Amino acid sequence: GQQVMQIPQYQHVQEGEDFTTYCNSSTTLSNIQWYKQRPGGHPVFLIQLVKSGEVKKQKRLTFQFGEAKKNSSLHITATQTTDVGTYFCAGPGGTSYGKLTFGQGTILTVHP
Amino acid sequence: EAQVTQNPRYLITVTGKKLTVTCSQNMNHEYMSWYRQDPGLGLRQIYYSMNVEVTDKGDVPEGYKVSRKEKRNFPLILESPSPNQTSLYFCASARGGAYNEQFFGPGTRLTVL
Repeated sequence: GQQVMQIPQYQHVQEGEDFTTYCNSSTTLSNIQWYKQRPGGHPVFLIQLVKSGEVKKQKRLTFQFGEAKKNSSLHITATQTTDVGTYFCAGPGGTSYGKLTFGQGTILTVHP
Repeated sequence: EAQVTQNPRYLITVTGKKLTVTCSQNMNHEYMSWYRQDPGLGLRQIYYSMNVEVTDKGDVPEGYKVSRKEKRNFPLILESPSPNQTSLYFCASARGGAYNEQFFGPGTRLTVL
């Protein structure tokens, strides 16, 4: 079945440093979704990328979808303590409209 | 307020005692899904439902059952819980299917002794 790998598993940064998490799928994705889960909370949708090579920005967050639609990245510029949490990518599974495969997540810690 | 609710939020039980975790959404979403979250493994899909009376297995369905008799409700049933089902469970709903933004419930932390 489809696999979605996400690295790194953990990232510790000083406030103000940049952060990037990478997501790789074993199959071509129709789209990729990104979610953020604050400590003790539930995943919250950030963005969806659909087009090959697509780049989207949300303030300090930049999301990219690879040309082959098999990889994606999330980059945060100048991290803040409010960025703390786990970031997940997720891709719909193959020909099924119901399956959604999540990456393992990257846990971001920001030291003030 | 648009939301997904789950009950209970916390549950400690013993091996073999049947339990049900309820999930309800008020957004009229066709699609609902259950996930379990374990450290280092991310979110793994247990079951999903494309609409009323339509359910299908996710990646880790063993030991779980679901039903979708009404559009708003999607309960998760553990008929004979085992310790390896100790986990954090999330219900989610979405318009249409997995291709769209998922709205998650607050989670249910289950411990099976």
